[in-house]
Amino acid sequence: QKEVEQDPGPLSVPEGAIVSLNCTYSNSAFQYFMWYRQYSRKGPELLMYTYSSGNKEDGRFTAQVDKSSKYISLFIRDSQPSDSATYLCAMSAKKINQGAQKLVFGQGTRLTINP
Amino acid sequence: GAVVSQHPSWVICKSGTSVKIECRSLDFQATTMFWYRQFPKQSLMLMATSNEGSKATYEQGVEKDKFLINHASLTLSTLTVTSAHPEDSSFYICSAWTSATPNEQFFGPGTRLTVL
Repeated sequence: QKEVEQDPGPLSVPEGAIVSLNCTYSNSAFQYFMWYRQYSRKGPELLMYTYSSGNKEDGRFTAQVDKSSKYISLFIRDSQPSDSATYLCAMSAKKINQGAQKLVFGQGTRLTINP
Repeated sequence: GAVVSQHPSWVICKSGTSVKIECRSLDFQATTMFWYRQFPKQSLMLMATSNEGSKATYEQGVEKDKFLINHASLTLSTLTVTSAHPEDSSFYICSAWTSATPNEQFFGPGTRLTVL
């Protein structure tokens, strides 16, 4: 069983729709949760970072963590064509060295927002 | 700010040759750099963690003699794939970490390696 499971999609929705992206995990030691966005032929860029259960909002993006169910979500409101990308969830159990984190990634969900 | 570059962006080599990939943090000093590998339609898999001036720490199942990592300065880490074989063909991505922004790793654009 993979430590982190994420539906690879592809997911295609019309512009303006609310998008829900999800990941489940099996390692209860994970305590830091991130969402990255990756455009084609680019490296991932951090969208959201959280370390507690509950919701965290940043503009059109909301990250939700449910540690009891080992389930995290990313919601995108008022989706735009520019949101079309691959979204990866990532998790970490603890900080190493002086605070760097070893990340375990989901497979990534390819999202397309249609104008 | 916080830009990470990789060179080359893509490389094709013959089986049995060695390939070096560079990862540079352009506008910050990276105490720690990570190397990942991503096969098609699969997630990024951490290969190794390197700290400036010390030996890299490899993840289980990653051959340290095959994937040589050198982190000689706070802005440069290199990954050398020795005696490359077709099964080493993959997308290699590095990330860089600094204590100034502790919650984030900054990723390079990746290097596509194809071994013939």
